[in-house]
Amino acid sequence: DQQVKQNSPSLSVQEGRISILNCDYTNSMFDYFLWYKKYPAEGPTFLISISSIKDKNEDGRFTVFLNKSAKHLSLHIVPSQPGDSAVYFCAAFPGGSGNTPLVFGKGTRLSVIA
Amino acid sequence: KAGVTQTPRYLIKTRGQQVTLSCSPISGHRSVSWYQQTPGQGLQFLFEYFSETQRNKGNFPGRFSGRQFSNSRSEMNVSTLELGDSALYLCASSLPTGTVNSPLHFGNGTRLTVT
Repeated sequence: DQQVKQNSPSLSVQEGRISILNCDYTNSMFDYFLWYKKYPAEGPTFLISISSIKDKNEDGRFTVFLNKSAKHLSLHIVPSQPGDSAVYFCAAFPGGSGNTPLVFGKGTRLSVIA
Repeated sequence: KAGVTQTPRYLIKTRGQQVTLSCSPISGHRSVSWYQQTPGQGLQFLFEYFSETQRNKGNFPGRFSGRQFSNSRSEMNVSTLELGDSALYLCASSLPTGTVNSPLHFGNGTRLTVT
């Protein structure tokens, strides 16, 4: 049972436009969410996170929005750049204990076209 | 500070063989997690070690095992390899406080191909 779902396997966006990557989760115990970016032949790198006490977290061109009632989060990249082309993974875990493994989605491949 | 180091980068094995993968965490990180990445399945959690003890285990058969040494370095072993074990195996480390305050830092992975 996929607890973290990224329903779009791929997304293409023009350079300079907004990229919106979506993620849904089913486990209501999840209260801490992260996005990772992965380039080919490299491991995933941490991008941005959000706690359930917030509905938005911003870091430069990257903003993550959380809608707890809908169990939905999204990553916005504005403006999109060719270097953003990568696979993006959404991840979640119940943050209370601090030692529960992260649960990852299957990833969305973003292609930013120059 | 050096990142997470995984060796080897690539490995080709035959069905039925066994394999050992190695991971050196970031200095000071005592938690090491292992994930399997296959096309279409994302990252599947294998196990996590902290202070030489397995703290969490994912839903994988007993052919998959691991251990952690006193210097926090970790190894994972897969016995009786099957074709379906072909995947990218990723190791990640974090501070003792766990992922709330310390996101996982991943290595570049070991690409295992079983023929």
